[in-house]
Amino acid sequence: GAGVSQSPSNKVTEKGKDVELRCDPISGHTALYWYRQSLGQGLEFLIYFQGNSAPDKSGLPSDRFSAERTGGSVSTLTIQRTQQEDSAVYLCASVWGDGSYNEQFFGPGTRLTVL
Amino acid sequence: GESVGLHLPTLSVQEGDNSIINCAYSNSASDYFIWYKQESGKGPQFIIDIRSNMDKRQGQRVTVLLNKTVKHLSLQIAATQPGDSAVYFCAENTGGGNKLTFGTGTQLKVEL
Repeated sequence: GAGVSQSPSNKVTEKGKDVELRCDPISGHTALYWYRQSLGQGLEFLIYFQGNSAPDKSGLPSDRFSAERTGGSVSTLTIQRTQQEDSAVYLCASVWGDGSYNEQFFGPGTRLTVL
Repeated sequence: GESVGLHLPTLSVQEGDNSIINCAYSNSASDYFIWYKQESGKGPQFIIDIRSNMDKRQGQRVTVLLNKTVKHLSLQIAATQPGDSAVYFCAENTGGGNKLTFGTGTQLKVEL
């Protein structure tokens, strides 16, 4: 079946512009995560959605970052007024269940470059 | 703060040899550990997991060992193949929470 998809695969933007990154999770998965991966680094947690519960936003690095999940499925990560330090690969993962001890299925990521 | 880290950033092995990738963790409350494989340009892929009530778990060509006494986790890959070349991450889940803490990764290079 189809896995997690993300779009665009690559995004180049100018400093100060806003960007939107999209994640399509696996159908039926109720939990969704966003991570950021800087070059040569591990994954940094950003935000977690579970069903209709309020999202866990504790990993968002600043108020320029926000995310939505519409209809319990597709999610959009928005970065406003992008800065060069926002350049990274943004990964989305979806999980069946509550995410605590279940496998996270990752998308291929969106590589964001801020000039 | 507490963190997950890896001992070796790069590991080179000959094809057919066994590989051992190590990970140290410092949060004694962590009760679930996962190894992920990430190939270039792709998202991480689940390899194997282990709960803290176990000290060993085996999969196909892979074994994860957990030593809670010294807070150490390792991934063993038997008969390493060129397709195993990737970055390997360990991750921990602390106390049943919904977030994973990832290590920085080890690059595994398989030499022919």
